[in-house]
Amino acid sequence: DAKTTQPPSMDCAEGRAANLPCNHSTISGNEYVYWYRQIHSQGPQYIIHGLKNNETNEMASLIITEDRKSSTLILPHATLRDTAVYYCSGGYQKVTFGTGTKLQVIP
Amino acid sequence: EPEVTQTPSHQVTQMGQEVILRCVPISNHLYFYWYRQILGQKVEFLVSFYNNEISEKSEIFDDQFSVERPDGSNFTLKIRSTKLEDSAMYFCASRGWGQETQYFGPGTRLLVL
Repeated sequence: DAKTTQPPSMDCAEGRAANLPCNHSTISGNEYVYWYRQIHSQGPQYIIHGLKNNETNEMASLIITEDRKSSTLILPHATLRDTAVYYCSGGYQKVTFGTGTKLQVIP
Repeated sequence: EPEVTQTPSHQVTQMGQEVILRCVPISNHLYFYWYRQILGQKVEFLVSFYNNEISEKSEIFDDQFSVERPDGSNFTLKIRSTKLEDSAMYFCASRGWGQETQYFGPGTRLLVL
């Protein structure tokens, strides 16, 4: 599994885009980039995943650099309910949780 | 929308007692997982299970732990003789064939006294 590095915390104003970076320089060719989030002590919630191409779904967009060593999760219009810890993980059909980024959305 | 369910939501037990945590994965899923999260710490992988056998386990998953799929719907985690340090939130997850996404349950909060 790829080792990931994320900033420990970020703030974002409500209604603005939240851009959460992740470094996964050791990711190998067949490993996906997954993003999950955890609100309080609830079960982790899947957000999005990708292999090489950028991806978008109803929750977020995922931008993966061409060398696949880093990615950015974009929440286009952050709301207060997006306040959570966001985890990126690099692996193949497996999720490894690091310490994540605590995103605080501010009114 | 189908979801993973877990019971009980909270369990308090005495050190040395056996506990069984129960999970009902999403009905057509084939891959099952247990994770734990000690208070204030990160989510840690315990074990994955496929085709009625363990496919991978972490160092945490020692002989005190076991998993079972006793029927077509339940997936259980048993801790034989609980220790104080087993106090944690335990999450079950499941994944469908050919899918990359794991879906997590709400967790069971275990407190060992």
